[in-house]
Amino acid sequence: GENVEQHPSTLSVQEGDSAVIKCTYSDSASNYFPWYKQELGKRPQLIIDIRSNVGEKKDQRIAVTLNKTAKHFSLHITETQPEDSAVYFCAASIGITGNQFYFGTGTSLTVIP
Amino acid sequence: GAVVSQHPSRVICKSGTSVKIECRSLDFQATTMFWYRQFPKQSLMLMATSNEGSKATYEQGVEKDKFLINHASLTLSTLTVTSAHPEDSSFYICSAREGGGYYGYTFGSGTRLTVV
Repeated sequence: GENVEQHPSTLSVQEGDSAVIKCTYSDSASNYFPWYKQELGKRPQLIIDIRSNVGEKKDQRIAVTLNKTAKHFSLHITETQPEDSAVYFCAASIGITGNQFYFGTGTSLTVIP
Repeated sequence: GAVVSQHPSRVICKSGTSVKIECRSLDFQATTMFWYRQFPKQSLMLMATSNEGSKATYEQGVEKDKFLINHASLTLSTLTVTSAHPEDSSFYICSAREGGGYYGYTFGSGTRLTVV
């Protein structure tokens, strides 16, 4: 099955700085890569996603890049704010219909005011 | 937007008893739902894929006789933890998708299970 690794496990940045979280996956058939943000005790919320036919996607302060050859993808958050503090999970999945996600191990991001 | 309701949000049970957790898609039909387990400060681990009208597909290492999944309708999947033990204490969360394609996966609010 798919194996998703995520680094770093914890990340602290000063407010206004950028944060980068990296993930690798093992199954070359994976073709959809969402990123979720989970605040303490709450459900994960999708923040951005990317398909395998796209190399980069941006949504305001958040961007995701994908390198299919190297089988890695990254989340970039610019101009970080204290409310960005949360645990971020990457995931990989195969296919369109009924596909399940395999999650990375999570990154606890702390933005220091 | 799509809403997935999960109940109960918290439950405490005694060792040896069974606990049922419900996952409902409130405003859409979900032929497939997913059940995850999350230990404190750890990632979401896929337990099983729940398919409406058929048997669930379990991930390797997940005991199907212990974690019973029933997806009897297009809007409801249940996870029953049978003969619960303290090591089953965890955060269980479901997800479902509205429609086809890549988009629209929504997570339930999760259930904190504590077995004493």
